[in-house]
Amino acid sequence: EDQVTQSPEALRLQEGESSSLNCSYTVSGLRGLFWYRQDPGKGPEFLFTLYSAGEEKEKERLKATLTKKESFLHITAPKPEDSATYLCAVQRGSYIPTFGRGTSLIVHP
Amino acid sequence: DTAVSQTPKYLVTQMGNDKSIKCEQNLGHDTMYWYKQDSKKFLKIMFSYNNKELIINETVPNRFSPKSPDKAHLNLHINSLELGDSAVYFCASSQPGGLTDTQYFGPGTRLTVL
Repeated sequence: EDQVTQSPEALRLQEGESSSLNCSYTVSGLRGLFWYRQDPGKGPEFLFTLYSAGEEKEKERLKATLTKKESFLHITAPKPEDSATYLCAVQRGSYIPTFGRGTSLIVHP
Repeated sequence: DTAVSQTPKYLVTQMGNDKSIKCEQNLGHDTMYWYKQDSKKFLKIMFSYNNKELIINETVPNRFSPKSPDKAHLNLHINSLELGDSAVYFCASSQPGGLTDTQYFGPGTRLTVL
């Protein structure tokens, strides 16, 4: 069974304080790993898909990386508007993606 | 244009009632999904559906049933609502056959059963 574990559950940062969120996974035959952002009262918003170990993708202050066992979402010099829950999901073959429980990020001004 | 839309946004009802949530996507995707998100933010798949196949999570009670009038719509019908059905329900869609099945989510429907 595919497993996705995200850590920490919650993270509080000061504005400008860079940090990383972790997504550890166990899946046989990874087809892709997804990162989503979810704001309160809204649906998850797609950020990135990573396909193979060593791959990196960037968007503004966010950078996602992937190894064979985990993915990191690095947040550089975060701003209060980066506050959200970040969800990770993995897909094996044609199966429906499996989601982790998310990391709730709060960035204080 | 909203890619995946849901109605209603909020739904408050009494135990035992029957209700429906509607979902529409204008992305031209072939696969649609329903997820339940509990109070701890965990997204649990309920159904996956395309015009060929319905995949049901075996843990979903048969009081829940998806109905798809056409490829762009997947509605969720819930019979005999229970207190434990209170949650946020998300519809999503994806286009199979690519590198991955990237899902695009609707804004959610917050269901409260009293």
